[in-house]
Amino acid sequence: AQSVTQLDSQVPVFEEAPVELRCNYSSSVSVYLFWYVQYPNQGLQLLLKYLSGSTLVKGINGFEAEFNKSQTSFHLRKPSVHISDTAEYFCAVSPSYNQGGKLIFGQGTELSVKP
Amino acid sequence: GAVVSQHPSWVICKSGTSVKIECRSLDFQATTMFWYRQFPKQSLMLMATSNEGSKATYEQGVEKDKFLINHASLTLSTLTVTSAHPEDSSFYICSALGGQGTDTQYFGPGTRLTVL
Repeated sequence: AQSVTQLDSQVPVFEEAPVELRCNYSSSVSVYLFWYVQYPNQGLQLLLKYLSGSTLVKGINGFEAEFNKSQTSFHLRKPSVHISDTAEYFCAVSPSYNQGGKLIFGQGTELSVKP
Repeated sequence: GAVVSQHPSWVICKSGTSVKIECRSLDFQATTMFWYRQFPKQSLMLMATSNEGSKATYEQGVEKDKFLINHASLTLSTLTVTSAHPEDSSFYICSALGGQGTDTQYFGPGTRLTVL
């Protein structure tokens, strides 16, 4: 079984500051890793994903994440945030052996960007 | 590409009535779709996996007779909440696997159900 822990439920940050949203996972098998963003009253939008290859993954809106197998982490970063980045962010994993398998979500991190 | 739509975006109904929510993949075929439920300030809870042409697989604790899922085509899955009650009020989100062989779920915009 897999589990995902997002270490911060809320992250307040000032505009143009860097931000890191932390995600750790637990799994006995190889996994695929995802970050999704959810704006109020909307569905989820894929930010980026790690399936294989380079451990540094770049996504949309200037976000990037690094897969660290030894630390079982997949932290999301952005060097300079904007007000429009205010949203809920979800980290998710799925077992790589089960192509298109279920996603296991973390609890979410609310990013609040203040002017 | 990989756009998923849901209809309606919100619905208000009386207790005891049934409500149907549609999930469509607009620019790709999806043999597998997923239905989630999300309570305020919480994460997504997987309700069921919908496979085209076969019965849906429900997660433990989800009543299959209450939440009817039909995946009749490669671009459409429906969720019907039967005999809805106020505790069924929630945000329902569907997702679809983007194309053959992909491992990425693409999400719809969600449907806000309020049962009075």
